[in-house]
Amino acid sequence: EVQLVESGGDLVQPGGSLRLSCAASGFTFSSYWMSWVRQAPGKGLEWVANIKQDGSEKYYVDSVKGRFTISRDNAKNSLFLQMNSLRDEDTAVYYCARIWAAVAGIPFDYWGQGSLVTVSS
Amino acid sequence: DTQMTQSPSSLSASVGDRVTITCRASQSISSYLNWYQQKPGKAPKLLIYAASNLQSGVPSRFSGSGSGTDFTLTISSLQPEDFATYYCQQSYRTPWTFGQGTKVEIK
Repeated sequence: EVQLVESGGDLVQPGGSLRLSCAASGFTFSSYWMSWVRQAPGKGLEWVANIKQDGSEKYYVDSVKGRFTISRDNAKNSLFLQMNSLRDEDTAVYYCARIWAAVAGIPFDYWGQGSLVTVSS
Repeated sequence: DTQMTQSPSSLSASVGDRVTITCRASQSISSYLNWYQQKPGKAPKLLIYAASNLQSGVPSRFSGSGSGTDFTLTISSLQPEDFATYYCQQSYRTPWTFGQGTKVEIK
């Protein structure tokens, strides 16, 4: 059974840093592109970042470029999101998601339960 | 960026109704269009990928169609468990973008 379990969400002050983790199991983690998607309270979904299987390609939404870094450790089946210079508008539930790149449409086929990041003074 | 616009933003329907949700892309995205269902407090769930392909395990009352810029999600006979928010999403070009969501409520 595919499982994605996020951790690391917390209350942090504006300008602060936080590192989210996502532990993957039930599939060959190193074979999949992975992603972070976020959802602000009461709002819709926003794609944040993608990372290729070997970490050689990374893509970000403009609003987090230069502040967030996506990374992975295939030996530990783990995905990470390092978030620096956090702003109020980064407050959201952050989901780890698997990208099913082998099919047309390239959807997110599995999602974690989410980790809440609150940026507030 | 490719803007995704869903309509309506919300709708009220009864069990057994046929429901149609539309998603329009600001530029052509071929068939790189996916649909998700989200219930309160839960992660999104993939329903349809590549515009018209039903994800494994998803009931056949869900269907999708379209290509280019105009897409549709149809629920042929609404069931109690279908009351949720539905999102379209394009993965044709970065930044990948979602529609604003359509909330399906009980009439």
